[in-house]
Parts: sequence; C-alpha cells; structure tokens
Amino acid sequence: EDQVTQSPEALRLQEGESSSLNCSYTVSGLRGLFWYRQDPGKGPEFLFTLYSAGEEKEKERLKATLTKKESFLHITAPKPEDSATYLCAVPSGSRLTFGEGTQLTVNP
Amino acid sequence: GAGVSQSPSNKVTEKGKDVELRCDPISGHTALYWYRQSLGQGLEFLIYFQGNSAPDKSGLPSDRFSAERTGGSVSTLTIQRTQQEDSAVYLCASSLALIAGGPYEQYFGPGTRLTVT
Repeated sequence: EDQVTQSPEALRLQEGESSSLNCSYTVSGLRGLFWYRQDPGKGPEFLFTLYSAGEEKEKERLKATLTKKESFLHITAPKPEDSATYLCAVPSGSRLTFGEGTQLTVNP
Repeated sequence: GAGVSQSPSNKVTEKGKDVELRCDPISGHTALYWYRQSLGQGLEFLIYFQGNSAPDKSGLPSDRFSAERTGGSVSTLTIQRTQQEDSAVYLCASSLALIAGGPYEQYFGPGTRLTVT
C-alpha cells in the first residue's frame, strides 16, 4: 500500500525566514508526485507535478524537488500570504494518496 | 476558465436523513473523483469515474454511499441514512483522462461541508 508522510505537521516562520517542508513516500512504482496548497475553507490548489528523481519546479517563492525517497518544498523569503496547509500526494492507481499536510504560518 | 464547482457549499442534516452533493467538473475533463476530508485528517479517496468505464468504487466506506455521473459530466454523491461520522468536507476533483506513462494533476472544487446533527 502506498504511503505518504509529511513533516513537520506545523511550521511557524517569520516573514523572510526560508525553510523546507518534507514529503516522504513509499510506493510500488513512482509515477509522479504532486504538491498542493490548501487555504482554510477551500479545496486544494494544484502547485506542481514532479515525475522523476532530480526534477525541480519553481513558482514564485516556492521550489519543489524530488529524490527517489522524498520530495522537498523549499520556501524562500516567505510572506504572510504563503500561510496555508501544503499537501503532497502520489498517484495510486486511479486515485491520489495524500499526506496529512504541513500547516505553515508566516508571521509578519 | 471555469473551475470545478460544487453545491451546496454547506449542508446541515439530521441523523438518518439522505443527502445529495453535486459536482460540476471542468469542461473537457473526462476523469472525476470524490474525496472526503475529515477534521484533522488527510484526504480520503471515495470514488473515481472515467468516461463510460465502470467507476472505481473501492473507497466508498459503506453501502450507504453511492455516486453517479450523468452524461459524462455532472456527478452526484448520495449518502443515505446519514450518521454523525459522515460529517466532513466532501471534495470533488477532475482531470484529463488517465493515460499510460503519467497521471494528470487533479483540480479540486471548493468542497461541501456536511454536518450531521
């Protein structure tokens, strides 16, 4: 059974303080890894897809990287508007298996 | 363009009543998914539709849950004889058709918050 574990569960940063979120996975055959952002009361918003180890994707202050065992979401000089829960997921057959997310709070 | 829409946004029902939740996927997306998100828990897969193929119902938690997709577009999730443990946010997502060699990202709607009293 595919498993996804995210750490830390919660992270508080000061504005401008860079950090990384971790997503570890155990799958029978990796066919991709997705990152989503979820704001309170809303559905997950798609951020990135990574397909193979060594791949990197960037969007504004976010950069996602992938190895054979885990993925990192690096946040550079975060702003308060980056506060959200970040979810990673792997495809398992026709579905996505999600981690439980990292709740990020960026204080001004 | 228009994203995935869901209705109602909130639903409060009494234990034992039936409820119907609606999802309108992104135009052109042939794959449609339902997930459930309970407080403090991750997203739980419920059911998947792809075109005219038989749906993957393996995630439905009990026979009180059912879903249909009419005309390859709109989907309805029905929960019969609701229980308090059914309280959760029900999320719908859609994507392009799954193809060999790589899955497509799923785009989510805003969800329906169901509260069973």
